[in-house]
Order: sequence, then structure tokens, then C-alpha cells
Amino acid sequence: QVQLVQSGAEVKKPGASVKVSCKASGYTFTSYDINWVRQATGQGLEWMGWMNPNSGNTGYAQKFQGRVTMTRNTSISTAYMELSSLRSEDTAVYYCARGLTGTTMSYYYYYMDVWGKGTTVTVSS
Amino acid sequence: SYELTQPPSVSVSPGQTARITCSGDALPKQYAYWYQQKPGQAPVLVIYKDSERPSGIPERFSGSSSGTTVTLTISGVQAEDEADYYCQSADSSGTPYVVFGGGTKLTVL
Repeated sequence: QVQLVQSGAEVKKPGASVKVSCKASGYTFTSYDINWVRQATGQGLEWMGWMNPNSGNTGYAQKFQGRVTMTRNTSISTAYMELSSLRSEDTAVYYCARGLTGTTMSYYYYYMDVWGKGTTVTVSS
Repeated sequence: SYELTQPPSVSVSPGQTARITCSGDALPKQYAYWYQQKPGQAPVLVIYKDSERPSGIPERFSGSSSGTTVTLTISGVQAEDEADYYCQSADSSGTPYVVFGGGTKLTVL
């Protein structure tokens, strides 16, 4: 079955970087985008950006530009999200999600149909 | 960028119909999607392209669109439907740009 398996919880100090992995299985990794979405405790979903695993092209939400890097290793069907210059406000659960995109009846569509279980990142001194 | 606005909470009794709205100026030109999230779990897609239901999602979940507002309707609400619901849309001025609504807590009384 289609699934995304994420790496385990991380604890980091302010100013450090964290790299979270997301291993895809059950489908062709290079055929679908990978998105990263985070959620602080008690808060809503916050989209961080997307990556096309085939081309390596990426797009980041303005809030994270300059601090986030999304990469992949196609040989092991794994996507990565690295966030640098961590601060306490980055404490959250980070999700990867498969993105579907295209055009139907002249309308563009983009949504996420399969999600990983999430990786908790705690930033604390 | 733009915003999607949802009510913070909706309450309904079991067996009744719950309606959760999502408003945004760009919605007449874009599809909307809905995710259900239960405590401690990842979000689950329940509606895509305004009104399509993924396989495995119960028929009591439906979606509709009218102008700048999209609506998730849950008919015959069950206790297991208590969750947070998020709407989402996406712009493509070159590359995808995803926006989530703030989320609505559905309480089954």
C-alpha cells in the first residue's frame, strides 16, 4: 500500500538545524510531489513547501525561504526537509504528504492524498 | 498570497447535519479540498476538487462550492466524526502555493 514513513523525533538547541526524512513506498516516488506541512501544538496546519522528486525542483512558502531546504534521494525513494537556525517557535510536528497536481476543466488542482505520521521536532535550550 | 477563513468551532448532535464553511476570495477560481484530523493523528483527505470523495470515505461526507465559499457537509453525524477539519486551496502562478484554512473543531454533542 502507498505509505510515507518519517524519521523519529528530534530534540535540537536553538540555532541548530534539523533534517527530517520521508521514505515513500507502494508507488513510483518520482511521479508525485512531496510537500512538507507543520503543526505546532494546538495550532493549525502550516504549509512549508513542495518538491518534485523527479526534477528536484522546489518551492517554499515565503515564511521559510532562506531557512528550509527540500531534497531527495531517488535511489532510496526518500525525501528530506532541513530547517536551519531553529528557534523555539519551530517546535512542532512536521508532516510529509504526497501531492497530486494537474488541470481539470481548466481549473488547476493541487492537494495531498497520503500523509506520513509526522515527526516531532522540539527546539529547547 | 491569500487567506481561507473557517469558523473556529461547530457543534452538532449525533444524527444531525454538520456544515463547515470556508471562505476565500480566490475560491471561485480554485478548487478546494478538505482534511479531517483527529487528535494525535495525521490529516486525512475527505474531499478533493470541491466535491469529490476519495475511496474509503463514507458517503455522509460531501462538499459543495458557491462563489467565495465552499462547504463541507457531514450528514447523519456520528461520534467518530468529532475532529478538526481544514480546508485547503492552491494557487499556481508558476509553481504551486498551498494555503490552509485555520481549521474548525467539530464537536458531537
